Amino acid sequence: AQTVTQSQPEMSVQEAETVTLSCTYDTSESDYYLFWYKQPPSRQMILVIRQEAYKQQNATENRFSVNFQKAAKSFSLKISDSQLGDAAMYFCAYTPRGGATNKLIFGTGTLLAVQP
Amino acid sequence: DSGVTQTPKHLITATGQRVTLRCSPRSGDLSVYWYQQSLDQGLQFLIQYYNGEERAKGNILERFSAQQFPDLHSELNLSSLELGDSALYFCASSLSAAGGIYGYTFGSGTRLTVV
Repeated sequence: AQTVTQSQPEMSVQEAETVTLSCTYDTSESDYYLFWYKQPPSRQMILVIRQEAYKQQNATENRFSVNFQKAAKSFSLKISDSQLGDAAMYFCAYTPRGGATNKLIFGTGTLLAVQP
Repeated sequence: DSGVTQTPKHLITATGQRVTLRCSPRSGDLSVYWYQQSLDQGLQFLIQYYNGEERAKGNILERFSAQQFPDLHSELNLSSLELGDSALYFCASSLSAAGGIYGYTFGSGTRLTVV
């Protein structure tokens, strides 16, 4: 079964500092997509970053970057220069590229607090 | 505004009742996914429709049903409601059935409270 694990229920970071959120996943597929979604108190699910498994280069979106280790099935999110607006629940998610279904499989989330 | 519209935003109803949640996908998207987010279960996939046809089914109870109409909007019907059905219900849409290729866009959710 395909699963996504986020082992850090809560994290805290000082404003302007860097924080890394961990995510591991389990799959027998060789081609898939990985995502990080942000859910602020408004509850809206916002896409932060997306990684294609067949691309070795780590995805980057402004202050957000990932460390994708395919062999280790690890997909961590690094937030640089943390801002108060980054405080939210962060979900790691996986979907296979092919197959009968392309549903998103989510981890349990990491609640990030940003201290001023 | 993500482009995915969910109505209503909030719903309070009594146990045993039936409700309908509505989702209009982003313009051009053919695939609709329903998710349930509860405190103890996290984000659970319920069902996916693609261009009017059911594509995949997840942890959806028999009391729940869904459909996608010709104009591509989707409805999730929840019946014989129980207290445990209280949750945030999300709809997401994607251009194709293979959502990962083009990404998923989420609506703002419907908060269902069963009392």
